[in-house]
Amino acid sequence: GENVEQHPSTLSVQEGDSAVIKCTYSDSASNYFPWYKQELGKGPQLIIDIRSNVGEKKDQRIAVTLNKTAKHFSLHITETQPEDSAVYFCAASKGAGSYQLTFGKGTKLSVIP
Amino acid sequence: DGGITQSPKYLFRKEGQNVTLSCEQNLNHDAMYWYRQDPGQGLRLIYYSQIVNDFQKGDIAEGYSVSREKKESFPLTVTSAQKNPTAFYLCASSIIAKSTDTQYFGPGTRLTVL
Repeated sequence: GENVEQHPSTLSVQEGDSAVIKCTYSDSASNYFPWYKQELGKGPQLIIDIRSNVGEKKDQRIAVTLNKTAKHFSLHITETQPEDSAVYFCAASKGAGSYQLTFGKGTKLSVIP
Repeated sequence: DGGITQSPKYLFRKEGQNVTLSCEQNLNHDAMYWYRQDPGQGLRLIYYSQIVNDFQKGDIAEGYSVSREKKESFPLTVTSAQKNPTAFYLCASSIIAKSTDTQYFGPGTRLTVL
């Protein structure tokens, strides 16, 4: 089955700096890669996703890049703010029809004011 | 408001008791899912259902049971056979379409076994 590795497990950055979280996946058939943000005691919220026919996607301060050959994808947050502090999860699936997401173990991001 | 609701937010259970967690969605989504989250771990799939009266086991189904009698409801029962049930339980839903499989999550239920 699919295996998703996520690094680092914790990340501290100064407010205004950039943060990068990386994930690798094992199944070359995976073609959908969402990122979720989870605040303490709450459910995960989708923040951005990318499909395998696209190499990069941006949404304001958040971007995701995908390297299909190397089977890894990354989340980039620029101009970090204290409210970006949360746990971030990457996931992978084989796309519509599969319905099963495999998650990484999460990255706890702390933005220091 | 459209969304996914889970109840209760906190649940305490004595060892040996079954307990049922509620999940309701008004998004008209076809598929619903249950995940378990432990500290420092990713989300692990317990059960999922793509259609009423049908469901499939996920990676960690042992000690759990589900039902899908209505499209909008997907309750999870944690049975006494589940050896380590203390965890954060998350329900999710998605539409079924070739173009998307995005899953949206509820706020979660924290279960503690006393």
